[in-house]
Amino acid sequence: DIQMTQSPSSLSASVGDRVTITCQASQDISDYLNWYQQKPGEAPKLLIHDASNLETGVPSRFSGSGSGTDFTFTISSLQPEDIATYYCQHYDNLSVTFGGGTKVEF
Amino acid sequence: QVQMVQSGAEVRKPGASVKVSCKASGYTFFSYGISWVRQAPGQGLEWLGWISTYSGDTNYAQKFQGRVTMTTDTSTTTVYMELRSLRPDDTAVYYCAREKYKFSGSLGYWGQGTVVTVSS
Repeated sequence: DIQMTQSPSSLSASVGDRVTITCQASQDISDYLNWYQQKPGEAPKLLIHDASNLETGVPSRFSGSGSGTDFTFTISSLQPEDIATYYCQHYDNLSVTFGGGTKVEF
Repeated sequence: QVQMVQSGAEVRKPGASVKVSCKASGYTFFSYGISWVRQAPGQGLEWLGWISTYSGDTNYAQKFQGRVTMTTDTSTTTVYMELRSLRPDDTAVYYCAREKYKFSGSLGYWGQGTVVTVSS
């Protein structure tokens, strides 16, 4: 099974900071990698699909990059409403695997 | 608009079973597969499996093989997830989630979640 290692598990930042989260796959997964945002008490929200494609309506301060085994999720200028937990997720035709999550706090 | 509406909270004793429903609306039901994902208190997201609403084919996470069954009812546009032999560590919020794009694991539409509590 493919393992997804996400880091850091938590981070503290200030408004306006650039925030970077990484996700590493245990083997080559091409670009089959999504990013989600989850706020307390809510269902996850898809932000980026297939490594770098921003979902419609998602602010452009969010971005994703990478392919193969190493992926990066970036918030270019952290806003108060971005406080949440972020998950990477790999999918293929047989299964879905989530990273462990990164809690972003002030 | 796409909506995924799940059944209400459940409480079960260890060893029992639970069946959670997820009613889909706002799109052509059999065009997109649906996954089930759970989240234990204070923990991350865990995928249980996927069902094709077109054929009824399923893929289950290895961890849940033999203990989970996912079914679909096209007449009511509802999918079901049954988990058997429940243990206290099955206590979690269970979500159904629809693919955003066909043949994709990008989960773009989520239900509100169903709290399942397993306690003696």
